[in-house]
Amino acid sequence: GNSVTQMEGPVTLSEEAFLTINCTYTATGYPSLFWYVQYPGEGLQLLLKATKADDKGSNKGFEATYRKETTSFHLEKGSVQVSDSAVYFCASHTGTASKLTFGTGTRLQVTL
Amino acid sequence: EAGVAQSPRYKIIEKRQSVAFWCNPISGHATLYWYQQILGQGPKLLIQFQNNGVVDDSQLPKDRFSAERLKGVDSTLKIQPAKLEDSAVYLCASSFTGQGIAETQYFGPGTRLLVL
Repeated sequence: GNSVTQMEGPVTLSEEAFLTINCTYTATGYPSLFWYVQYPGEGLQLLLKATKADDKGSNKGFEATYRKETTSFHLEKGSVQVSDSAVYFCASHTGTASKLTFGTGTRLQVTL
Repeated sequence: EAGVAQSPRYKIIEKRQSVAFWCNPISGHATLYWYQQILGQGPKLLIQFQNNGVVDDSQLPKDRFSAERLKGVDSTLKIQPAKLEDSAVYLCASSFTGQGIAETQYFGPGTRLLVL
């Protein structure tokens, strides 16, 4: 079955630091890949997505590239802000599974 | 556009009691999902509705959990009787068609359940 593995947190960074959160997946087909973000006290929100190999999803300065050869979808941001502090979830979706499979989430804490 | 609404936001019950959660999806969304998110884990799909029909309930513990979506709009998720391991956040999400593999799901704020 499908599975998603994320790096464990928490990740603590100073403001303006570079961020990478690793995500790898296993799937029987060719999944679409997503990053969702959960800010304190709020529901999950879609951050970005990619539907096929070599696609790059981007939003709010965050980027992730669908790498089929390494089965990865790592999340990156060049300069994080305090307001980026949240829990980030990587997820996959295939047509045959018709449901999202989430990773365990990575908590990001950005300090001044 | 109003988002996905859920109530209550918090609930504390004792084991063996029953509890119900309510969800109102985004207007016009055909597909509704209930997820269970245990502390330290990612959300796990419990049940998916397409209009008022069940698409996937393979991970729903049917001996104690039930869900319905009357008239294809609002939905309720019930647990009876509750166990300690049911302590989690219950998330409701909706999407426009539920057909596309990259279709965005919109999540509500969740109901945090604590079973004592």
